[in-house]
Amino acid sequence: SAVISQKPSRDICQRGTSLTIQCQVDSQVTMMFWYRQQPGQSLTLIATANQGSEATYESGFVIDKFPISRPNLTFSTLTVSNMSPEDSSIYLCSVETAGTVKNTEAFFGQGTRLTVV
Amino acid sequence: RKEVEQDPGPFNVPEGATVAFNCTYSNSASQSFFWYRQDCRKEPKLLMSVYSSGNEDGRFTAQLNRASQYISLLIRDSKLSDSATYLCVVNFHTGRRALTFGSGTRLQVQP
Repeated sequence: SAVISQKPSRDICQRGTSLTIQCQVDSQVTMMFWYRQQPGQSLTLIATANQGSEATYESGFVIDKFPISRPNLTFSTLTVSNMSPEDSSIYLCSVETAGTVKNTEAFFGQGTRLTVV
Repeated sequence: RKEVEQDPGPFNVPEGATVAFNCTYSNSASQSFFWYRQDCRKEPKLLMSVYSSGNEDGRFTAQLNRASQYISLLIRDSKLSDSATYLCVVNFHTGRRALTFGSGTRLQVQP
């Protein structure tokens, strides 16, 4: 299993500002994933954060808007830049356990509830 | 077409009822299937993996039909504590390890 500490748990931000979300894992993991969950909707993958290389972004998400750092195997940050009200959402980091693909399990941080005003 | 589609819900059922959720996925090469549970304002947590032969965990039974690209979750003897959103999750194994989530089906068990 994996325990993920994510912070902040919530924030209210002014439009045009940036917020950095941190995730700390209690074990070393190769990949960390960042998701967004908009109200009443399911999780959408933003990017995969790889240690030692640039993050891999999904369609619709760009590095300038969501820069990611992955300085070591237990930590990652996601920044939401130049925020607008449309960025109001829950942001979650996630890791998968080691093992066979069939038996992998994803663990999530507690989420960051972001409101942009 | 969405990669993973679920019943829209919400399902409102009385305690003790049996309820079934369905899910279809678009990629026939998918290898891993899961049901996750998400309580209100909480992060998703694994409920159970779904195996080809079907599997059961207490009151919960998961089935997989590869030919129809269909997954189901059956909950028997519903409890109030089963109220949550149930997410159908698939790993497409297309070189990206991250999971693909359905939109979720909300279950409300009523006394």
